[in-house]
Amino acid sequence: KNQVEQSPQSLIILEGKNCTLQCNYTVSPFSNLRWYKQDTGRGPVSLTIMTFSENTKSNGRYTATLDADTKQSSLHITASQLSDSASYICVVSAGAGTALIFGKGTTLSVSS
Amino acid sequence: KAGVTQTPRYLIKTRGQQVTLSCSPISGHRSVSWYQQTPGQGLQFLFEYFSETQRNKGNFPGRFSGRQFSNSRSEMNVSTLELGDSALYLCASSWKEGAPGANVLTFGAGSRLTVL
Repeated sequence: KNQVEQSPQSLIILEGKNCTLQCNYTVSPFSNLRWYKQDTGRGPVSLTIMTFSENTKSNGRYTATLDADTKQSSLHITASQLSDSASYICVVSAGAGTALIFGKGTTLSVSS
Repeated sequence: KAGVTQTPRYLIKTRGQQVTLSCSPISGHRSVSWYQQTPGQGLQFLFEYFSETQRNKGNFPGRFSGRQFSNSRSEMNVSTLELGDSALYLCASSWKEGAPGANVLTFGAGSRLTVL
């Protein structure tokens, strides 16, 4: 069964600190992996999209990694800001992209 | 450039009623996909339309249906509402033909449905 699991479920960090969110997947055949940020009351916004051959991709202070062998991805946030408080959702696309499997997200709270 | 617009943003219905939600994609985008988001299940794919044709469908009962108009605007309908249909319904648009997982998606802010 295609599954995407994220950890931790929630996380609280101090402003300025770094953090890493994890995503493990059992999806076959793999097409791509995406990280989205969803602010409260808003729709998800794409942070990164990685295909099988990419193992690192950055978007400002966000860096995603992908290990296709172990089927793991991580999202590293550097020098966190209050505006980083949001839910981060890992999404894996299977096959020709006809199936999107969503993780349940990690809720990040950044406090001052 | 206007983003993806969903209406209404909030609505309350009672069990057994039906509801219609609307999604206007970004100008020039021809693909619209719909998702249900609940605290327990997270985001789940409902269906995707391109050029007025349903191209992909998730694993939801037939009470969930949709359509797309010639101007790419899309509507989804849920009939015979159940308590479990309470959720945030999101739509996303993409300019490119193809499955949602193959394209960059831009999401709307969603329509929050509460079923009493």
